[in-house]
Amino acid sequence: NAGVTQTPKFQVLKTGQSMTLQCAQDMNHNSMYWYRQDPGMGLRLIYYSASEGTTDKGEVPNGYNVSRLNKREFSLRLESAAPSQTSVYFCASSDIQGGVGKLFFGSGTQLSVL
Amino acid sequence: AQSVTQLDSQVPVFEEAPVELRCNYSSSVSVYLFWYVQYPNQGLQLLLKYLSGSTLVKGINGFEAEFNKSQTSFHLRKPSVHISDTAEYFCAVSRSTGGFKTIFGAGTRLFVKA
Repeated sequence: NAGVTQTPKFQVLKTGQSMTLQCAQDMNHNSMYWYRQDPGMGLRLIYYSASEGTTDKGEVPNGYNVSRLNKREFSLRLESAAPSQTSVYFCASSDIQGGVGKLFFGSGTQLSVL
Repeated sequence: AQSVTQLDSQVPVFEEAPVELRCNYSSSVSVYLFWYVQYPNQGLQLLLKYLSGSTLVKGINGFEAEFNKSQTSFHLRKPSVHISDTAEYFCAVSRSTGGFKTIFGAGTRLFVKA
């Protein structure tokens, strides 16, 4: 089973460049999430989508945009990358609408902004 | 708002010794509690969760956690660790109603030595 698939796995950007991180899940989950992981800070929620057609800000949304393309796919876009956005990004989905359910994570995207 | 504090950033322990990873949370509303594990270069996976009922929760790989409402704690324990338990462990909390957001602690890195 594929579960949650993220692409790319690694990316290096220059300051000011843009890119989109792709995420797809094949478990028919309603809710999807984007987190960033930084040393000593755990995971912080960037944006989430409680259901198809809705998106909401998390703890650290500045500098990011998201699109819930359909029930399977939830993308994260950096319009003008900054060094502070160097991080590991995780996409997740939930088997119950809302944060109560178990989160299923992708394997992550390691992003470096120079 | 909810918050999570993991009291130890690193815990070294010898193989076959017991271990406790400490977690305290803060919330003005009723919450659900989780422990996730992250092995090197992988996404997070659920170890166990407390939703309601018995305060002692058993998870995968021999781990268990006890919910203590009066001390607002949810400490993770294992009576005898293996080398393969070396990983980073995250405590997390979400609201029990209307909770779309899961808030993570900073993580505790468990090192199991031979």
